[in-house]
Amino acid sequence: AQKITQTQPGMFVQEKEAVTLDCTYDTSDPSYGLFWYKQPSSGEMIFLIYQGSYDQQNATEGRYSLNFQKARKSANLVISASQLGDSAMYFCAMMCYSSASKIIFGSGTRLSIRP
Amino acid sequence: NAGVTQTPKFRILKIGQSMTLQCAQDMNHNYMYWYRQDPGMGLKLIYYSVGAGITDKGEVPNGYNVSRSTTEDFPLRLELAAPSQTSVYFCASSYSGRGRNTEAFFGQGTRLTVV
Repeated sequence: AQKITQTQPGMFVQEKEAVTLDCTYDTSDPSYGLFWYKQPSSGEMIFLIYQGSYDQQNATEGRYSLNFQKARKSANLVISASQLGDSAMYFCAMMCYSSASKIIFGSGTRLSIRP
Repeated sequence: NAGVTQTPKFRILKIGQSMTLQCAQDMNHNYMYWYRQDPGMGLKLIYYSVGAGITDKGEVPNGYNVSRSTTEDFPLRLELAAPSQTSVYFCASSYSGRGRNTEAFFGQGTRLTVV
């Protein structure tokens, strides 16, 4: 069975600091994709970054990077030089390609950036 | 390019009433999903579909039904609405296959209140 766990309900970070949001997952499928989404207070879901299980390098998209540790089944999101506009809910998600073909989400982390 | 369109955006239902949440996508995606998001929580998968005529239960299917007669449309039916179904409902779609392009594209959400 697939499972995504986010253990940080909320975090406060000073503006311009880097922040790491934790995500661990569980699956027996060797082929899967991991996603991070941002949900600002307006409610829309914004795709941030993707990591495939067979990707050799950690994914990066601008200020976002994914610290992928396959053996530990973790896929932490790192935001460098945080900005006030980064305040939002962040969700980790997974799709298992060989089996279920569904995307499941973690419970989310609410990130608040202090000026 | 409309993407994923959900209607209505807001709805108030009385206990025991029924309604259908509409979802349409114009990206020719095979996969479609329905999620619910309770306040301050993550997204829970209600039902998903991997193609026209094929649907399957997610994590929280009780009280809901779906159908997928075309690639574009994936309506969600609530029968006998209960206060526990008060939530924000998101429809999403994605490509089949593997890789970066399997990210989910989301509609704007439907805020449903059952009183």
